[in-house]
Amino acid sequence: DAKTTQPPSMDCAEGRAANLPCNHSTISGNEYVYWYRQIHSQGPQYIIHGLKNNETNEMASLIITEDRKSSTLILPHATLRDTAVYYCIVRVNSGGSNYKLTFGKGTLLTVNP
Amino acid sequence: GAVVSQHPSWVICKSGTSVKIECRSLDFQATTMFWYRQFPKQSLMLMATSNEGSKATYEQGVEKDKFLINHASLTLSTLTVTSAHPEDSSFYICSARPGQGEGYGYTFGSGTRLTVV
Repeated sequence: DAKTTQPPSMDCAEGRAANLPCNHSTISGNEYVYWYRQIHSQGPQYIIHGLKNNETNEMASLIITEDRKSSTLILPHATLRDTAVYYCIVRVNSGGSNYKLTFGKGTLLTVNP
Repeated sequence: GAVVSQHPSWVICKSGTSVKIECRSLDFQATTMFWYRQFPKQSLMLMATSNEGSKATYEQGVEKDKFLINHASLTLSTLTVTSAHPEDSSFYICSARPGQGEGYGYTFGSGTRLTVV
């Protein structure tokens, strides 16, 4: 299984960009990178996912390095409500057409006023 | 957008009793749903993959006779914690994917907090 490594915690000032790194050096060619976040006592919220091209949506941008061994999630203008645990996940094929998301420990992002 | 609903959001039960948790996909059909468990200050741990019309696939170390999963329709999967004990107290979360294409992310329910007393 491809595993991910994230810093346990990060701080960001409100209104500034938050850049959350993730290493996935053992990722294989057809494995997608997913980003989720979890606010305390809630279910995880989908943010973005990608394979090899950079992706952007209304929530964030995902920058994947050319060798695909790492990626960065960018929240362009962080707000206090963005304080959460952010998970970088490599989707794993569990056999045939079945896939599953396996969560690591994630990064606790704290946005400060 | 795709919504996954869980019920109940919290439940307290006595030790030795069974508790059923429901997971519904509200605006899409899901042939596969996933059940996770999360202990305080820990990450989500995948327990099992629920397959509509067939047996669930359990992760290593998860007791299938204790955590019964039924996926009888394309919009409903249930997790029953049988003979619950205090160590089963946890946050249980389900997930489903609204489509098979790579453009779809996985949607999670809001979770069920189980407390066994």
